[in-house]
This record gives sequence, C-alpha cells and structure tokens, in this order.
Amino acid sequence: QQQVKQSPQSLIVQKGGISIINCAYENTAFDYFPWYQQFPGKGPALLIAIRPDVSEKKEGRFTISFNKSAKQFSLHIMDSQPGDSATYFCAAHTVRAQKLVFGQGTRLTINP
Amino acid sequence: DTEVTQTPKHLVMGMTNKKSLKCEQHMGHRAMYWYKQKAKKPPELMFVYSYEKLSINESVPSRFSPECPNSSLLNLHLHALQPEDSALYLCASSTTGGSRDNQPQHFGDGTRLSIL
Repeated sequence: QQQVKQSPQSLIVQKGGISIINCAYENTAFDYFPWYQQFPGKGPALLIAIRPDVSEKKEGRFTISFNKSAKQFSLHIMDSQPGDSATYFCAAHTVRAQKLVFGQGTRLTINP
Repeated sequence: DTEVTQTPKHLVMGMTNKKSLKCEQHMGHRAMYWYKQKAKKPPELMFVYSYEKLSINESVPSRFSPECPNSSLLNLHLHALQPEDSALYLCASSTTGGSRDNQPQHFGDGTRLSIL
C-alpha cells in the first residue's frame, strides 16, 4: 500500500513533442505529490508538486494532472527539449510518516 | 548549485576503513534525511532527523551511524562497509516537522561512495 507505481520505465520523445509520465498510488493517506528531475551525477531536484485538492498545476512547460478518484497523477512536459533529458521520479508523501515514497523512475530522452 | 551541500563528492574506501559523510544546509530546515541510491533506482530512505533527534531508522545496518550535531549539519559515519554499500548517498532537508504544511525535500548532489 506504500508503493507508487510509475510508467513507463523509459521514454523517447522528439524535440518539440509532449512527454507524459504516469504514476499511481494506493494509500489514500498520501497528501502531497512532488516530481523530481535527476541528471547524471546530481541529486534529485524538485520540479513541481501538487496537493490532492487540486486537479492540475502548471509551471512553465511542466504540468501535473491529478485524478484523486482514480488515485493517479501524471507529468506532462510540453515542447520537450534535449535539455529535459533526465530521469524523472514521482513521489508521494505524508506529513505524519515524514516519508517520501518514490516511483521507480522514468528515463526520458529527447531526440534533437 | 543546490542549497544542501555534501562533502566529499567522491569517496573510495576499504572495508576496514572509517570515514564520514557530511551534509550542511542553511535554509533553517529542521528535518534532515539520509538516502541511499543505487544506479537506475530511486532513492531509499535510511534515516530521518527531526529537530536534531533521530525519528526514523529504516532498519539500516549498524555499520552506518548517523549524527546530527546541530540544526544545520548532518553526518553519516561509516565503518566496516561491504562492497554492496557502494552507492550514491544523498542528504535532504525540509521544513516538515509535523506541520500540516507539506514542504518539499531539497536534496544535495550526494557523495559517490565506492567500497573496495
């Protein structure tokens, strides 16, 4: 019940296209859902985050869509650029547990 | 540049050595975390400190010993490690300390540890 399932494992998108990464969870106690971007040799960097009382959040080219009833959320990267090539992790968090539960990660490659 | 600084960036040690990893943040965060990350895997939580007190130990072997000397510093003391302990060790911090206002965890760039 503590798992967050992320798909796909890897994704190749052409420059200018839309990258979509999906995550699903079971634990309804999760109350905060961040996405992290990680480049090789670097730590995860917070990209964007959402609370379950919001259905969509947009920051620049990055959008989180959240479906509370389906217990699913997704990251959309519009106008994908080669610089977006990285590993993306979705995560879920509860204040009470003080824990971040990560998805397994998606390796995104944007072809020029 | 991240706001969580970890030193050293790389560390190679033998199985009988004792070494320490250091983490520092000046964001006023009162929760600090150690994670272990293997290649192509997500970070795995090891320890959580909240207000300088150990609040979570995820059943980590005793050869890893955390220490939080003050609200800005977090250490991870290493002793008698095994080759399978080779990984990227990440430190993170957040304002979360029981508040309902979730704040994100900010990660450092990690220490790449290799055990010979």
